[in-house]
Amino acid sequence: DAGITQSPRHKVTETGTPVTLRCHQTENHRYMYWYRQDPGHGLRLIHYSYGVKDTDKGEVSDGYSVSRSKTEDFLLTLESATSSQTSVYFCAIRTPQAVEAFFGQGTRLTVV
Amino acid sequence: AQSVTQLGSHVSVSEGALVLLRCNYSSSVPPYLFWYVQYPNQGLQLLLKYTTGATLVKGINGFEAEFKKSETSFHLTKPSAHMSDAAEYFCAVSDYTGANSKLTFGKGITLSVRP
Repeated sequence: DAGITQSPRHKVTETGTPVTLRCHQTENHRYMYWYRQDPGHGLRLIHYSYGVKDTDKGEVSDGYSVSRSKTEDFLLTLESATSSQTSVYFCAIRTPQAVEAFFGQGTRLTVV
Repeated sequence: AQSVTQLGSHVSVSEGALVLLRCNYSSSVPPYLFWYVQYPNQGLQLLLKYTTGATLVKGINGFEAEFKKSETSFHLTKPSAHMSDAAEYFCAVSDYTGANSKLTFGKGITLSVRP
């Protein structure tokens, strides 16, 4: 899986609690992405990063924040989880020379 | 803005039959096009990609896709389905490779293969 580790793989949390998902890569790729996958919607981009401390919003960024203090780690934070954020979250990485992205195994988050 | 349309959410074929999964895209610039496959409880795996050059691209597991600019299509085919092809398939488009480049996905199609 292209040296991408997502943690945790599964999490159940309560509404209103903060949650942080971690994406760790060993490929030294510059670009990193967070997507969420929901039935009937495919994958939608939440946030992405094009370098350390350089991040930008995707199409469904409300309620999410990200941080990237090291090349290898990209964190996704739900400041106050809501039931609508129940989803499967995927991290992806890409080099500047490539057009395709490589995906992690995903994190299944349930907000109750 | 770029977008992908995958009509229908489910395709069912018999083992040994032709697989055809349709994808149409919209892009303001020459696109890069992709097909990804997702097996249950796994991440997405790249099946094939089109960048430039030959419009018929071959991927893994016997799949291929043809880029047709006039039809804005990038349909995925496989001559003979195998049980192991049962999965969800996503078509995606990207406009370039720069810092702000990102993949836009279709909603996905679930392929079932009947014995």
